[in-house]
This record gives sequence, structure tokens and C-alpha cells, in this order.
Amino acid sequence: DAGVTQSPTHLIKTRGQQVTLRCSPKSGHDTVSWYQQALGQGPQFIFQYYEEEERQRGNFPDRFSGHQFPNYSSELNVNALLLGDSALYLCASSLGGGVGDTQYFGPGTRLTVL
Amino acid sequence: AQSVSQHNHHVILSEAASLELGCNYSYGGTVNLFWYVQYPGQHLQLLLKYFSGDPLVKGIKGFEAEFIKSKFSFNLRKPSVQWSDTAEYFCAVFGQSSSASKIIFGSGTRLSIRP
Repeated sequence: DAGVTQSPTHLIKTRGQQVTLRCSPKSGHDTVSWYQQALGQGPQFIFQYYEEEERQRGNFPDRFSGHQFPNYSSELNVNALLLGDSALYLCASSLGGGVGDTQYFGPGTRLTVL
Repeated sequence: AQSVSQHNHHVILSEAASLELGCNYSYGGTVNLFWYVQYPGQHLQLLLKYFSGDPLVKGIKGFEAEFIKSKFSFNLRKPSVQWSDTAEYFCAVFGQSSSASKIIFGSGTRLSIRP
């Protein structure tokens, strides 16, 4: 039973660049949520995708956007990177589109912005 | 606005000691409550959850949590910790009522167990 996978594991970018992170949900799951976890903090909800649409969004600017594909995998795009975007980006999957359901987390992508 | 507070940032205990980690939230409506754990080098994983029913919830590895609605609390407990419980623990809350609800995580409590 494949768990949540994310790629790449690490990424280094410079300010102003754009980045795309990828996530494949746990087998059988159809809902993907993205979180940003800064050092020493808990995960912060960015947004959730279900049925290829953004369903809920946290307090993140429009520079953060996403996409969900028909196979339920998802991408997180961040434009015009800032130093403050350096963080661990977590993908979590669940079933049925509910924001308050149990989340199954991936290992994360560590993004460093220089 | 929803918020979650974990007042203990770092807790250090000896093996066999009892554990209680605090979690308080602010939200006036019905909530789903979670404790997640992150062991060193591993993914975040669910420890236990409360959606409704018995406010005393049992999770994996001997952990339990009690939802006290009047205190807006969902404290995590374990009667006797082991060295393998060394990890970061996160409380999370989801407020059911609002269409704009989202899940909010606390800042985490790092638990270190002395062998």
C-alpha cells in the first residue's frame, strides 16, 4: 500500500524564482492538502484540492497556487519566491474532500530560498 | 478566529514517568480534534482523534486524550513513557461550522525521554 510521496526531497532556489512541488496521494485517496511548516512551527494549511478544484484555502497569497490531476496527484506552485518561503512543504492526502478528516502526510519537500 | 495553543515547547522526562501535554483551542462551535506525532526522521502520523462521542479517546502506543469542552482542551496523556516516545507532538483542531474552516495545528511540543 503506497503512502504519500513527494518530490523533490530538497530544493534550493533564489529570490524571485518560481518552484513546483509534486505530490502523489496515498493509494485510494482522492483529496490532497498542502501545508507549509517553518522551522520550530506546526504545519500551516495552504489549500486543499478535491475533484481537481481548490476547495479551501488558508491565509496564503496568490503567489501560492496549485493543481490536481485526474489521477489525484497534485502540484504546488510558488511564484516570485521570497526568503520567507523557505520551509518544509508537506502534502497530505485524505478521502472524500473533507477538510477536517484524518490526514496522511508525506515526507515533505525542504525548500531553501537564497 | 481559530487558534491552537501548546504551552509546553519542550518536555523532558525519564522513562516510566507519566506524561501530559497540554492543548487548548479557541473556537466556539463543534470541533474535530487530533494529535499527530513525528518521530525522528519519520513522517507526521496520526496518534489519535476525536470527532464525537466518548470524550476520552484512546490512540496508538498507549496514548489517550480527553476532550473537555468547557475548558476548550484536548490534553494528551500516557501513564508510563518509553524512550521510543521521543518525538514532536502536534495538536490540531478543525472547526466544523464555518464554510471557510480549515485545520489549525499548534506549534508542537518536543518530548525528550531520558533512558
